[in-house]
Amino acid sequence: KAGVTQTPRYLIKTRGQQVTLSCSPISGHRSVSWYQQTPGQGLQFLFEYFSETQRNKGNFPGRFSGRQFSNSRSEMNVSTLELGDSALYLCASSLAGSGGATDTQYFGPGTRLTVL
Amino acid sequence: GQQVMQIPQYQHVQEGEDFTTYCNSSTTLSNIQWYKQRPGGHPVFLIQLVKSGEVKKQKRLTFQFGEAKKNSSLHITATQTTDVGTYFCAGGSGGYNKLIFGAGTRLAVHP
Repeated sequence: KAGVTQTPRYLIKTRGQQVTLSCSPISGHRSVSWYQQTPGQGLQFLFEYFSETQRNKGNFPGRFSGRQFSNSRSEMNVSTLELGDSALYLCASSLAGSGGATDTQYFGPGTRLTVL
Repeated sequence: GQQVMQIPQYQHVQEGEDFTTYCNSSTTLSNIQWYKQRPGGHPVFLIQLVKSGEVKKQKRLTFQFGEAKKNSSLHITATQTTDVGTYFCAGGSGGYNKLIFGAGTRLAVHP
């Protein structure tokens, strides 16, 4: 089975621009989560989608948004980029995610975003 | 908000020595997961613990979940150079797939 894929792998943008990142989950996985990884803040949860609905979100400003399509593929968008948005953005997929235990998260290779 | 603290931040060992990393949550967790991230790579799932006091072993790795479900540890016996990487604990808060990650412990193993 193919793993989680993310495109693009690397991206350079300037302040004020916007960016869209894409994530294709493992076949059969319906939940997609996004994380931001920086040296200073570690791995931080952005949001999670299941069946095209955002079920959970972290503490990020409204400039960070996402969506999920009917085929479970997901995109996240960051508008009005700031220097502090430079990070590795990781997408993780899982089967479903019940309200109790948390599913095993399968991470993609990430998109390295640099904001100049 | 909910926090998961992980120590130490960095550990340097000689090959063959043991290694332990600890996680503590500010709140009771529904479960805890452990991930390993190799340099330049992405986090890879190692294990999930759900029950209070649970202990699981994977070859040289031993994982424990505290009785109060607020702390956890990962112990590696007789480290090898292949163990190099950053080990993260991640607490499940009960929300759908929302994991709160510890800051990670970076393990360096010298031959």
